[in-house]
Amino acid sequence: QSALTQPASVSGSPGQSITVSCTGTSSDVGSYNLVSWYQQRPGKAPKLMIYDVSKRPSGVSNRFSGSKSGNTASLTISGLQTEDEADYYCCSYAGSSTFWVFGGGTKLTVL
Amino acid sequence: QVQLQESGPGLVKPSETLSLTCTVSGYSISSGYYWGWIRQTPGRGLEWIGSIYHTGNTYYNSSLKSRVSISVDTSNNQFSLKLSSVTATDTAVYYCARHPGLGGSYSSFDYWGQGTLVTVSS
Repeated sequence: QSALTQPASVSGSPGQSITVSCTGTSSDVGSYNLVSWYQQRPGKAPKLMIYDVSKRPSGVSNRFSGSKSGNTASLTISGLQTEDEADYYCCSYAGSSTFWVFGGGTKLTVL
Repeated sequence: QVQLQESGPGLVKPSETLSLTCTVSGYSISSGYYWGWIRQTPGRGLEWIGSIYHTGNTYYNSSLKSRVSISVDTSNNQFSLKLSSVTATDTAVYYCARHPGLGGSYSSFDYWGQGTLVTVSS
């Protein structure tokens, strides 16, 4: 069982917006602005999409955005495209004992 | 362009030691940053195993600490993972990855290897 809780699946139609939640605790998500989000397509390595809660690496579409409130972080994808269909994982730094915790992943289906 | 590539045996016997190497290109490990190992299974998802700084300082997942060792070879621009006394539950896809930070900004994994499946079986 993963330390961070994500919905198993979300879906949306092309052009719509969806939000994926990631719920942790006051020891991880709630304590650090160090939440990251990863996109993983079948058979591929995860790809960093968001870091430090809301920052986008160079080359990542501005359709991807991140936020956090309390112990819950969120990834929003606007203007859904079929190429966005993938698994999405959240990750949070959790201090100098645990270091990192991951979510169980959310499968995004673009209908 | 930073690239990472895992290498090592795809099959390890129970109770033996799993050994993997990550070769980095496009960036010199000795220039800085942290270098980590992460594994993925269908049942347990993504799990951080441990990381090493370019100076050799190591950081391990507490649940694996007694069995894990990570080392760095800056002359060959590689870092390695050893996981001892493996069981079937260590069967996973193992990734190496870079993370610029540890507890501060950029504490995220920005470059990943393609991953390598390691199966523990007799």
